[in-house]
Amino acid sequence: DIQMTQSPSSLSASVGDRVTITCQASQDISNYLNWYQQKPGKAPKLLIYDASNLETGVPSRFSGSGSGTDFTFTISSLQPEDIATYYCQQYDNLPPLFTFGPGTKVDIK
Amino acid sequence: QVQLVQSGAEVKKPGASVKVSCKASGYTFTGYYMHWVRQAPGQGLEWMGRINPNSGGTNYAQKFQGRVTMTRDTSISTAYMELSRLRSDDTAVYYCAREIVAAAGQRHFDYWGQGTLVTVSS
Repeated sequence: DIQMTQSPSSLSASVGDRVTITCQASQDISNYLNWYQQKPGKAPKLLIYDASNLETGVPSRFSGSGSGTDFTFTISSLQPEDIATYYCQQYDNLPPLFTFGPGTKVDIK
Repeated sequence: QVQLVQSGAEVKKPGASVKVSCKASGYTFTGYYMHWVRQAPGQGLEWMGRINPNSGGTNYAQKFQGRVTMTRDTSISTAYMELSRLRSDDTAVYYCAREIVAAAGQRHFDYWGQGTLVTVSS
């Protein structure tokens, strides 16, 4: 099975800061990588799909990049409402398997 | 608009079974895979499996093989997840989520249910 790692596991940044989270797959997953935001007590919300595509309605300060094994998620200017845990997720076809990374908790400094 | 509405919280004893429902509306239920994802208290997201509402075909994560059963009732656009032989570490919020498939085969979850808390305690 493909393993996903995320770093850092948590971070604290100031409003307006650029925040970067990385996700690494244990083998090549092409661009089968999605990013979700989860606020406390809420269901996850899709932000980025297929590594770099912004979901409709999601603010443009969120972006994603990468392919193969290394991926990056960026918040260009952190806002108070971005306090949440962020998860990467990969999809494997044979057999169908959807694996989440361990998550990155983002706080305001 | 697309909505996934799940059944209410459950409290079960160890060894029992639980069945959680997920009622879909706002789209063609049989046109999209439905997944189940769980989250133990303070922990991350864990994929459990999916069902093809059109055929009833299922794919389960190896960890849950033999304990989980996913079914659907197309007449009421509802998916179900039943977990048997419950243990205390099955205490978690269980989510259903709709899968979207891109033209090139990439997949992601675009809509999620509100979650159902299942507590396993003696």
